[in-house]
Amino acid sequence: GQNIDQPTEMTATEGAIVQINCTYQTSGFNGLFWYQQHAGEAPTFLSYNVLDGLEEKGRFSSFLSRSKGYSYLLLKELQMKDSASYLCACNRDDKIIFGKGTRLHILP
Amino acid sequence: GAVVSQHPSRVICKSGTSVKIECRSLDFQATTMFWYRQFPKKSLMLMATSNEGSKATYEQGVEKDKFLINHASLTLSTLTVTSAHPEDSSFYICSARGVQSAYEQYFGPGTRLTVT
Repeated sequence: GQNIDQPTEMTATEGAIVQINCTYQTSGFNGLFWYQQHAGEAPTFLSYNVLDGLEEKGRFSSFLSRSKGYSYLLLKELQMKDSASYLCACNRDDKIIFGKGTRLHILP
Repeated sequence: GAVVSQHPSRVICKSGTSVKIECRSLDFQATTMFWYRQFPKKSLMLMATSNEGSKATYEQGVEKDKFLINHASLTLSTLTVTSAHPEDSSFYICSARGVQSAYEQYFGPGTRLTVT
Protein backbone atom coordinates (compact mmCIF):
# COMPACT_ATOMS: atom_id res chain seq x y z
CA GLY A 1 0.00 0.00 0.00
CA GLN A 2 0.96 3.63 -0.04
CA ASN A 3 0.26 6.66 2.06
CA ILE A 4 1.38 10.24 1.53
CA ASP A 5 0.39 12.75 4.20
CA GLN A 6 0.69 16.50 4.24
CA PRO A 7 -1.33 19.25 5.92
CA THR A 8 -4.47 20.28 4.08
CA GLU A 9 -4.00 24.02 4.48
CA MET A 10 -1.47 26.50 5.81
CA THR A 11 -1.37 30.26 6.12
CA ALA A 12 1.69 32.48 6.18
CA THR A 13 2.57 36.14 5.82
CA GLU A 14 4.22 37.84 2.87
CA GLY A 15 7.98 38.01 3.41
CA ALA A 16 8.01 35.20 5.95
CA ILE A 17 9.24 31.60 5.78
CA VAL A 18 7.01 28.53 5.70
CA GLN A 19 7.79 24.83 5.90
CA ILE A 20 5.42 22.27 4.42
CA ASN A 21 5.94 18.76 5.76
CA CYS A 22 5.23 15.48 4.05
CA THR A 23 5.44 11.93 5.34
CA TYR A 24 5.16 8.89 3.16
CA GLN A 25 4.98 5.13 3.25
CA THR A 26 5.28 3.40 -0.06
CA SER A 27 6.91 0.43 -1.67
CA GLY A 28 9.21 0.84 -4.65
CA PHE A 29 10.28 4.32 -3.56
CA ASN A 30 12.80 5.99 -5.88
CA GLY A 31 12.59 9.64 -4.90
CA LEU A 32 10.36 12.48 -3.83
CA PHE A 33 8.93 15.37 -5.85
CA TRP A 34 7.43 18.70 -4.91
CA TYR A 35 5.11 20.39 -7.35
CA GLN A 36 3.31 23.72 -7.26
CA GLN A 37 -0.20 23.96 -8.65
CA HIS A 38 -2.30 27.07 -9.11
CA ALA A 39 -6.05 26.58 -9.30
CA GLY A 40 -7.19 25.27 -12.67
CA GLU A 41 -3.65 24.78 -13.95
CA ALA A 42 -1.31 21.83 -14.32
CA PRO A 43 1.37 21.18 -11.69
CA THR A 44 4.77 22.72 -12.21
CA PHE A 45 7.95 20.99 -11.08
CA LEU A 46 9.77 22.43 -8.08
CA SER A 47 12.21 19.78 -6.90
CA TYR A 48 13.19 16.15 -6.87
CA ASN A 49 15.15 14.51 -4.02
CA VAL A 50 16.66 11.08 -4.34
CA LEU A 51 19.32 11.19 -1.62
CA ASP A 52 18.98 12.30 1.97
CA GLY A 53 19.66 15.94 2.64
CA LEU A 54 18.71 19.44 1.71
CA GLU A 55 18.66 20.82 -1.80
CA GLU A 56 18.36 24.55 -2.26
CA LYS A 57 17.06 26.26 -5.36
CA GLY A 58 16.57 29.98 -4.97
CA ARG A 59 13.79 30.76 -2.50
CA PHE A 60 12.73 27.12 -2.37
CA SER A 61 14.53 24.26 -0.60
CA SER A 62 13.55 20.64 -0.25
CA PHE A 63 14.70 18.09 2.30
CA LEU A 64 14.46 14.31 2.32
CA SER A 65 15.06 11.64 4.94
CA ARG A 66 14.50 8.22 3.40
CA SER A 67 14.94 6.37 6.69
CA LYS A 68 12.18 8.45 8.29
CA GLY A 69 9.91 8.63 5.25
CA TYR A 70 9.89 12.39 5.62
CA SER A 71 10.33 15.43 3.43
CA TYR A 72 9.71 19.11 3.67
CA LEU A 73 9.51 22.04 1.30
CA LEU A 74 10.82 25.33 2.65
CA LEU A 75 9.71 28.57 1.05
CA LYS A 76 11.56 31.78 1.98
CA GLU A 77 10.72 35.44 1.39
CA LEU A 78 7.15 34.55 0.61
CA GLN A 79 5.43 36.46 -2.15
CA MET A 80 1.72 36.74 -2.89
CA LYS A 81 2.21 34.72 -6.07
CA ASP A 82 3.30 31.78 -3.90
CA SER A 83 -0.35 31.29 -2.93
CA ALA A 84 -1.01 27.87 -4.46
CA SER A 85 -1.27 24.20 -3.65
CA TYR A 86 1.97 22.34 -3.01
CA LEU A 87 1.94 18.68 -3.88
CA CYS A 88 4.26 16.14 -2.36
CA ALA A 89 4.65 13.15 -4.66
CA CYS A 90 6.56 9.88 -4.58
CA ASN A 91 8.36 8.32 -7.49
CA ARG A 92 7.09 4.79 -7.03
CA ASP A 93 8.25 2.27 -9.59
CA ASP A 94 8.75 5.13 -12.07
CA LYS A 95 5.25 6.47 -11.58
CA ILE A 96 4.49 9.73 -9.79
CA ILE A 97 1.96 9.23 -7.01
CA PHE A 98 0.64 12.43 -5.48
CA GLY A 99 -0.38 13.32 -1.97
CA LYS A 100 -3.50 15.39 -1.41
CA GLY A 101 -1.64 18.68 -1.51
CA THR A 102 -1.31 21.58 0.88
CA ARG A 103 -3.14 24.81 0.05
CA LEU A 104 -0.93 27.69 1.07
CA HIS A 105 -2.56 31.06 1.70
CA ILE A 106 -0.33 34.13 1.82
CA LEU A 107 -1.51 37.14 3.78
CA PRO A 108 -0.25 40.65 2.96
CA GLY B 1 11.82 23.18 -21.21
CA ALA B 2 9.78 20.37 -22.70
CA VAL B 3 6.23 21.21 -23.76
CA VAL B 4 3.13 19.06 -23.54
CA SER B 5 -0.18 20.18 -24.97
CA GLN B 6 -3.72 18.93 -24.44
CA HIS B 7 -6.76 19.36 -26.60
CA PRO B 8 -9.41 20.41 -25.94
CA SER B 9 -8.83 22.58 -22.89
CA ARG B 10 -12.52 22.50 -22.05
CA VAL B 11 -15.32 20.28 -23.24
CA ILE B 12 -18.97 19.94 -22.34
CA CYS B 13 -20.82 16.83 -23.44
CA LYS B 14 -24.14 15.14 -22.82
CA SER B 15 -24.58 11.98 -20.77
CA GLY B 16 -24.06 8.87 -22.81
CA THR B 17 -21.73 10.39 -25.37
CA SER B 18 -18.00 9.76 -25.68
CA VAL B 19 -15.25 12.34 -25.49
CA LYS B 20 -11.68 12.11 -26.74
CA ILE B 21 -8.84 14.07 -25.16
CA GLU B 22 -5.48 14.37 -26.91
CA CYS B 23 -2.10 14.75 -25.26
CA ARG B 24 0.89 15.71 -27.38
CA SER B 25 4.57 16.13 -26.62
CA LEU B 26 5.62 19.01 -28.83
CA ASP B 27 9.40 19.00 -28.75
CA PHE B 28 10.42 15.57 -27.53
CA GLN B 29 9.55 11.93 -27.99
CA ALA B 30 7.45 10.62 -25.13
CA THR B 31 8.03 6.96 -24.56
CA THR B 32 5.67 6.98 -21.61
CA MET B 33 2.56 9.05 -20.96
CA PHE B 34 0.46 9.19 -17.83
CA TRP B 35 -3.15 10.15 -17.36
CA TYR B 36 -4.45 11.72 -14.16
CA ARG B 37 -7.80 13.04 -13.02
CA GLN B 38 -8.36 15.66 -10.39
CA PHE B 39 -11.55 16.56 -8.56
CA PRO B 40 -12.01 20.10 -7.21
CA LYS B 41 -9.65 20.84 -4.33
CA LYS B 42 -8.31 17.29 -4.44
CA SER B 43 -4.99 15.94 -5.58
CA LEU B 44 -4.16 14.21 -8.82
CA MET B 45 -5.08 10.56 -9.05
CA LEU B 46 -3.09 8.44 -11.46
CA MET B 47 -5.45 6.60 -13.80
CA ALA B 48 -3.13 4.79 -16.17
CA THR B 49 0.31 4.58 -17.70
CA SER B 50 0.75 4.15 -21.43
CA ASN B 51 3.85 3.16 -23.32
CA GLU B 52 4.10 3.78 -27.03
CA GLY B 53 2.90 0.81 -29.03
CA SER B 54 1.63 -1.24 -26.11
CA LYS B 55 -1.49 -1.52 -24.00
CA ALA B 56 -2.00 0.90 -21.16
CA THR B 57 -1.59 -0.21 -17.56
CA TYR B 58 -4.50 0.92 -15.42
CA GLU B 59 -4.41 1.68 -11.72
CA GLN B 60 -6.62 -0.27 -9.39
CA GLY B 61 -10.24 0.84 -9.53
CA VAL B 62 -10.01 2.50 -12.95
CA GLU B 63 -12.28 0.92 -15.57
CA LYS B 64 -10.27 0.26 -18.70
CA ASP B 65 -13.37 -0.18 -20.84
CA LYS B 66 -14.64 3.21 -19.79
CA PHE B 67 -11.37 5.11 -20.11
CA LEU B 68 -9.79 4.00 -23.37
CA ILE B 69 -6.17 4.98 -23.79
CA ASN B 70 -4.23 4.84 -27.03
CA HIS B 71 -0.55 5.72 -27.41
CA ALA B 72 -0.07 5.21 -31.11
CA SER B 73 3.00 7.36 -31.61
CA LEU B 74 5.89 8.81 -29.63
CA THR B 75 4.21 12.22 -29.54
CA LEU B 76 0.53 11.44 -29.08
CA SER B 77 -1.65 9.69 -26.53
CA THR B 78 -5.44 9.87 -26.38
CA LEU B 79 -7.91 9.27 -23.59
CA THR B 80 -11.49 8.51 -24.57
CA VAL B 81 -14.15 8.70 -21.91
CA THR B 82 -16.86 6.39 -23.19
CA SER B 83 -20.55 6.71 -22.34
CA ALA B 84 -19.79 9.67 -20.12
CA HIS B 85 -21.85 10.38 -17.00
CA PRO B 86 -21.97 13.46 -14.77
CA GLU B 87 -19.70 11.76 -12.23
CA ASP B 88 -16.99 11.66 -14.91
CA SER B 89 -16.86 15.44 -14.82
CA SER B 90 -13.34 16.27 -13.74
CA PHE B 91 -10.03 17.86 -14.66
CA TYR B 92 -7.98 15.41 -16.72
CA ILE B 93 -4.24 15.99 -16.93
CA CYS B 94 -1.67 14.10 -18.93
CA SER B 95 2.07 14.00 -18.45
CA ALA B 96 4.86 12.71 -20.61
CA ARG B 97 8.31 11.32 -20.01
CA GLY B 98 10.99 11.15 -22.66
CA VAL B 99 13.76 8.69 -23.33
CA GLN B 100 16.34 11.12 -22.04
CA SER B 101 14.74 11.50 -18.63
CA ALA B 102 14.90 8.86 -15.94
CA TYR B 103 12.26 10.48 -13.78
CA GLU B 104 11.08 13.87 -14.91
CA GLN B 105 7.56 14.17 -16.27
CA TYR B 106 6.18 17.18 -18.09
CA PHE B 107 2.55 18.00 -17.49
CA GLY B 108 0.00 19.20 -19.97
CA PRO B 109 -2.29 22.13 -19.14
CA GLY B 110 -5.26 19.87 -18.43
CA THR B 111 -8.73 19.36 -19.88
CA ARG B 112 -11.85 20.36 -17.98
CA LEU B 113 -14.63 17.87 -18.80
CA THR B 114 -18.22 18.66 -17.84
CA VAL B 115 -20.89 16.06 -18.49
CA THR B 116 -24.46 17.35 -18.39
